[in-house]
Amino acid sequence: EDQVTQSPEALRLQEGESSSLNCSYTVSGLRGLFWYRQDPGKGPEFLFTLYSAGEEKEKERLKATLTKKESFLHITAPKPEDSATYLCAVNRRGSNTGKLIFGQGTTLQVKP
Amino acid sequence: GAVVSQHPSRVICKSGTSVKIECRSLDFQATTMFWYRQFPKQSLMLMATSNEGSKATYEQGVEKDKFLINHASLTLSTLTVTSAHPEDSSFYICSASPRVRYEQYFGPGTRLTVT
Repeated sequence: EDQVTQSPEALRLQEGESSSLNCSYTVSGLRGLFWYRQDPGKGPEFLFTLYSAGEEKEKERLKATLTKKESFLHITAPKPEDSATYLCAVNRRGSNTGKLIFGQGTTLQVKP
Repeated sequence: GAVVSQHPSRVICKSGTSVKIECRSLDFQATTMFWYRQFPKQSLMLMATSNEGSKATYEQGVEKDKFLINHASLTLSTLTVTSAHPEDSSFYICSASPRVRYEQYFGPGTRLTVT
């Protein structure tokens, strides 16, 4: 069964304290892995798509990496405005609907 | 680019009435649109997938007669919650996928409260 597991569930960091969020996935053929950021009361905001093992994408303080079993979202020198829930999702090859399978998310709090 | 809007952002309705939520892709054509429901502190729960001009595909356990989805064009999908009850109160979010790509772009969500 296709599954996405994110860890930790919650993460508290001091401003400037770098860390990583993990997304482990089990899927019968990965078409793409997606990272989103969601603020309370809002829809998720698209961050990155990763398609194959070894691929990396960067945006400001965020860097996403992908292996055959997991993805990491590295946050370098975070700021309080990086506080949000980060969602990971996968799309399975062979799916003709583009349906995403989501993890439960990691809620990040960055304290000044 | 890749902006999705939803209207209304908040709606309060009385039990037994119907509510329509609109989802529009503003700067791209969406091959497929999706409707999700989200409960507090939980992840997104996919309700249905719709393609322009086709009937929506509902996830297991989602009542198709209660949650009516219409995908009239490549930029517009609507979700109608019929005969709403308090247990239908939730945060509803739509998303859209551009042609030939698989990432989904999400709308800002609609908070539905049924009294």
